[in-house]
Amino acid sequence: EPEVTQTPSHQVTQMGQEVILRCVPISNHLYFYWYRQILGQKVEFLVSFYNNEISEKSEIFDDQFSVERPDGSNFTLKIRSTKLEDSAMYFCASSEGPGWVTEAFFGQGTRLTVV
Amino acid sequence: DAKTTQPPSMDCAEGRAANLPCNHSTISGNEYVYWYRQIHSQGPQYIIHGLKNNETNEMASLIITEDRKSSTLILPHATLRDTAVYYCIAENNNAGNMLTFGGGTRLMVKP
Repeated sequence: EPEVTQTPSHQVTQMGQEVILRCVPISNHLYFYWYRQILGQKVEFLVSFYNNEISEKSEIFDDQFSVERPDGSNFTLKIRSTKLEDSAMYFCASSEGPGWVTEAFFGQGTRLTVV
Repeated sequence: DAKTTQPPSMDCAEGRAANLPCNHSTISGNEYVYWYRQIHSQGPQYIIHGLKNNETNEMASLIITEDRKSSTLILPHATLRDTAVYYCIAENNNAGNMLTFGGGTRLMVKP
């Protein structure tokens, strides 16, 4: 069964450092997403990406965040200068169609710990 | 987006049907009802979705009331591996591409 893969599974970084979280979406999917989940809290939407541009973003997704699809397979989330409050599980997802019509497939997540 | 209300937790005996309710009394005509679940700290997993009609797949059944103000997710024979947080989400195209997760129902399947 096709799956969304994320690397690394766990990333520890010092406050102020840049991190890049990587995702390989399912190959025929057109819509890509990042969500995050702070420990013990709800899953929160960050950004959606379609046709090589951001289609939606939440208030959380400020100037410190960026996304990129550098080639035909990878989808990355960059945090420029990490803060302690960026510590969370980050989930990548992809779907064939828009998220309100078709199901989204989520990766297993990257646990980001900012120290 | 329609707000959904779910009980925070439920228990179910292994092998029995688990019936998870969801209230979405403010749902509009073009909003779909989606169910996802999250096992421990894994990524959310799609279960099923519907608009008006009841739906069934290999994982579960979704029963939507005629007025669409509530729905029930049915796991016909719950196993220990079904222990998870179950999220009911109502979304339409005005929400763009995002899914809005609430607190969900923590289902505990007990032997």
